[in-house]
Amino acid sequence: GENVEQHPSTLSVQEGDSAVIKCTYSDSASNYFPWYKQELGKRPQLIIDIRSNVGEKKDQRIAVTLNKTAKHFSLHITETQPEDSAVYFCAASKNNAGNMLTFGGGTRLMVKP
Amino acid sequence: ETGVTQTPRHLVMGMTNKKSLKCEQHLGHNAMYWYKQSAKKPLELMFVYNFKEQTENNSVPSRFSPECPNSSHLFLHLHTLQPEDSALYLCASSHGTSGEDTQYFGPGTRLTVL
Repeated sequence: GENVEQHPSTLSVQEGDSAVIKCTYSDSASNYFPWYKQELGKRPQLIIDIRSNVGEKKDQRIAVTLNKTAKHFSLHITETQPEDSAVYFCAASKNNAGNMLTFGGGTRLMVKP
Repeated sequence: ETGVTQTPRHLVMGMTNKKSLKCEQHLGHNAMYWYKQSAKKPLELMFVYNFKEQTENNSVPSRFSPECPNSSHLFLHLHTLQPEDSALYLCASSHGTSGEDTQYFGPGTRLTVL
């Protein structure tokens, strides 16, 4: 089955700096990669996703890149703000597999003002 | 924030108790999911239902018994649980199960097994 590794497990940055979180996956058939943000005591919420037919997607301060050959994808947050502090999860799934998401272990991002 | 609701939000139970978790989605979705979120572990998919039919059981022990009476409601019946079953149980829903359907999560039920 699919295995998703996520690094780092914790990340501390100064407000205004950039943050990068990296994930690798094992199943080359995976083709959908969402990122979820979970604030303390709240539900995971989708912030961005990417499909395997594109290499990069951007939404304001958030971008995701995908390298299918190397089987890794990354989340980039620019101009970080204190409200970006949360746990971020990457995930992977593939078509015709029941929409079964395999999640990474999560990254706790702390943005210091 | 009210698209997927879960009750109760917190539950404490003994190992011999029987309890049920409830999830309701107001998004018109056809697929619903149960996940387990333990400390220091990735989110683990437990069950998937599509149009009320169970399509996935991710090797979950039989002390967890799901029920999906319709596409809007999902239950997780609990009996003779173990302390290691203490976790946050999250429900999610999506339009379908194509592999690219966004999953929307509920707020979770924090379960403590004594």
